[in-house]
Amino acid sequence: NAGVTQTPKFQVLKTGQSMTLQCAQDMNHNSMYWYRQDPGMGLRLIYYSASEGTTDKGEVPNGYNVSRLNKREFSLRLESAAPSQTSVYFCASSERYKNTEAFFGQGTRLTVV
Amino acid sequence: LAKTTQPISMDSYEGQEVNITCSHNNIATNDYITWYQQFPSQGPRFIIQGYKTKVTNEVASLFIPADRKSSTLSLPRVSLSDTAVYYCLVGISSGGYQKVTFGTGTKLQVIP
Repeated sequence: NAGVTQTPKFQVLKTGQSMTLQCAQDMNHNSMYWYRQDPGMGLRLIYYSASEGTTDKGEVPNGYNVSRLNKREFSLRLESAAPSQTSVYFCASSERYKNTEAFFGQGTRLTVV
Repeated sequence: LAKTTQPISMDSYEGQEVNITCSHNNIATNDYITWYQQFPSQGPRFIIQGYKTKVTNEVASLFIPADRKSSTLSLPRVSLSDTAVYYCLVGISSGGYQKVTFGTGTKLQVIP
């Protein structure tokens, strides 16, 4: 069972560079999410996609864009990376119309220098 | 959005039962209470979810009083591998996780 797969696991960027974090789930879930987690903090929602074809801003969307490529894949793009975006990024998925659990990926540790 | 309050940290010896209480005074009628566990360098993992009274699974129990303004996660006979951060979430309903916030959680340290 793969669950939620994120790539890459680690990345170092220079300020101003761009990159895309990839996320794929194999559980046929409708909803997908991108979170960031800073040291000693809880997770903060960046963007989410309640269903294929829709995306919405979460708590901290500035500096990010997302694409729900299909039901399986939800990518997060940093157009011009900044040191403040140094964080661990988690992708998650869940069913939309059930009170159920969310499944998280293993995270991408991003450092912007 | 229902705000939750839980202790920042707790210590426990191996083999003891650990109870972590979460306060959520403005919980809405449709809100469920869900607990997650997170190990360092890993994504959170679902532990248990409940709406009222008591829920038990193979790893934990969740106690919810009648007024639902608080809940208690109970971990029986903890081991060193239970050292982790535990998050209490309130607000998951049919709309998904976008209306739920992860606080800073409770950092549980199990001592040999």
